[in-house]
Amino acid sequence: AQKITQTQPGMFVQEKEAVTLDCTYDTSDQSYGLFWYKQPSSGEMIFLIYQGSYDEQNATEGRYSLNFQKARKSANLVISASQLGDSAMYFCAMRGAGANSKLTFGKGITLSVRP
Amino acid sequence: DSGVTQTPKHLITATGQRVTLRCSPRSGDLSVYWYQQSLDQGLQFLIQYYNGEERAKGNILERFSAQQFPDLHSELNLSSLELGDSALYFCASSRTLHGKYGYTFGSGTRLTVV
Repeated sequence: AQKITQTQPGMFVQEKEAVTLDCTYDTSDQSYGLFWYKQPSSGEMIFLIYQGSYDEQNATEGRYSLNFQKARKSANLVISASQLGDSAMYFCAMRGAGANSKLTFGKGITLSVRP
Repeated sequence: DSGVTQTPKHLITATGQRVTLRCSPRSGDLSVYWYQQSLDQGLQFLIQYYNGEERAKGNILERFSAQQFPDLHSELNLSSLELGDSALYFCASSRTLHGKYGYTFGSGTRLTVV
């Protein structure tokens, strides 16, 4: 079974500062993918970044980067230069191999950016 | 616009009723996934279809059913509705069976059972 753990309580960050959102995962699959999604108050799920289990380099997408530590089974999201529009719920998710291709989500972390 | 279309956006209905939620996947995507998001359960996977066939089942109640049609749109049917079924229902699509190229979510259908 796959499991995603996000245990941070609501996070606060000052505008223009960087913030790290934690995510640990558990799987017995050798091949898997890790995703981060943003859900603003309007409700839609917005894809942010993807990391494959065999990718040697950490993924980056603009202000988002994924700190992938395979041995520790962690996939933390780093948001640089936070903006007010970054205030939202953030979900870490993973996709396993074969029959585990569905996305399994963590419980999410609420991020509030202060001006 | 993500390319995944869900209708309706909002639905209010009474207990015991039956509703149908509709999802049109992104052009070219063959896989459709349904998720339920509630405050207490978080995002729960319900069911996956690929090119018209059911491929994976999650925590889907017997009162719920789904199908994917030849034009690849999918419908999620919820019957004998209870107050606890109130949630945000998401559809996501992917190009392949195993989501190799990622998943695109629709904007969701917010169901309120009163």
